[in-house]
Amino acid sequence: DAGVIQSPRHEVTEMGQEVTLRCKPISGHNSLFWYRQTMMRGLELLIYFNNNVPIDDSGMPEDRFSAKMPNASFSTLKIQPSEPRDSAVYFCASSPGQGTSPLHFGNGTRLTVT
Amino acid sequence: SQKIEQNSEALNIQEGKTATLTCNYTNYSPAYLQWYRQDPGRGPVFLLLIRENEKEKRKERLKVTFDTTLKQSLFHITASQPADSATYLCALYNQGGKLIFGQGTELSVKP
Repeated sequence: DAGVIQSPRHEVTEMGQEVTLRCKPISGHNSLFWYRQTMMRGLELLIYFNNNVPIDDSGMPEDRFSAKMPNASFSTLKIQPSEPRDSAVYFCASSPGQGTSPLHFGNGTRLTVT
Repeated sequence: SQKIEQNSEALNIQEGKTATLTCNYTNYSPAYLQWYRQDPGRGPVFLLLIRENEKEKRKERLKVTFDTTLKQSLFHITASQPADSATYLCALYNQGGKLIFGQGTELSVKP
């Protein structure tokens, strides 16, 4: 099992540009999560999907952020336009289902907005 | 809202000693709590889950306790090794069904 795969690993962009982060969850996992990690705020849940349907996006900071899951094997997190305060490590995670299932995280995308 | 507190200061211990990390939570009584390990440049990795009716859970050199009265979980690593050096995060599902994480405690085991 390849685990959760995220791309790119690093992204450097200029303020105002569109950024798209990608995630391939573990095959067979029904739930997918996007988290953001910073030194100041730690790991914050942005949005999560169950069976490709967005369940809770209350953690998405602003309308500049959007996430999609067109099928069970792919999800994107888009920031448009990006701002320097969006700089962080963005993690995607998947789990077999709801309840007590542990999350399996990818290795993240480190985003730097200059 | 629910809040998780972990020691923000790094924990430095000598190889072979037992490391003890603390996780306190407020404003909620979760049914279970999870512990994760995170290495630099990597995503968190799940280690253990403990339920509210389990006082203690063990896995190899790891031991987790869960005191619902104190609203506290302790994470122990016995016979610690330099390879155990990492950041350890506790997490719980809040009332809204979201898995929220503490800030993590960085552990450094010196040979």
